[in-house]
Amino acid sequence: GAVVSQHPSWVICKSGTSVKIECRSLDFQATTMFWYRQFPKQSLMLMATSNEGSKATYEQGVEKDKFLINHASLTLSTLTVTSAHPEDSSFYICSASGYSNQPQHFGDGTRLSIL
Amino acid sequence: GQQLNQSPQSMFIQEGEDVSMNCTSSSIFNTWLWYKQDPGEGPVLLIALYKAGELTSNGRLTAQFGITRKDSFLNISASIPSDVGIYFCAGQAGGTSYGKLTFGQGTILTVHP
Repeated sequence: GAVVSQHPSWVICKSGTSVKIECRSLDFQATTMFWYRQFPKQSLMLMATSNEGSKATYEQGVEKDKFLINHASLTLSTLTVTSAHPEDSSFYICSASGYSNQPQHFGDGTRLSIL
Repeated sequence: GQQLNQSPQSMFIQEGEDVSMNCTSSSIFNTWLWYKQDPGEGPVLLIALYKAGELTSNGRLTAQFGITRKDSFLNISASIPSDVGIYFCAGQAGGTSYGKLTFGQGTILTVHP
């Protein structure tokens, strides 16, 4: 149980393109979803916390107009990287948590490469 | 803010050896979690600890939630090649930070056959 699916796995696109990443909880209802960014050989850095039906809470230093998060249902959250540039290239990972004390379960990540 | 110090940063061991890694925090956590991440994939939950002093096993893995709530360790017994990966500890606090995880820097484990 507690499966989180993230799509796509890889994205390569031109600078200036907007890219949407989906995160789905397949077998549970995720009241909260989290978006992380990870650089090579580093730990996960939390970008934002998303609760179903409300606006996401962004961590300090994360541009909310750059990284648009939507959590419209209890099983789906999306992260849109708007007008992506090479410096946005990274590994983006989502996680989901259901009932109050359920640990976060992670998707398999999306490797984003901006040319 | 809260910080987690995870050690060691990396380990090179022979197959069959036992492994131990730990995390310490400058502040208290309500939950400690241990994850393993393989290259190009997301972290996979290994063990979740919810009470101070709790000792929990998952196969060859054993983890403990420190009495002070500021530390945790993970032991792997009789390591095998598929144990290779990056292991992260994560602490979850309560209050306004409810649900958010603070991650350690990770321990890179290499197992030689």
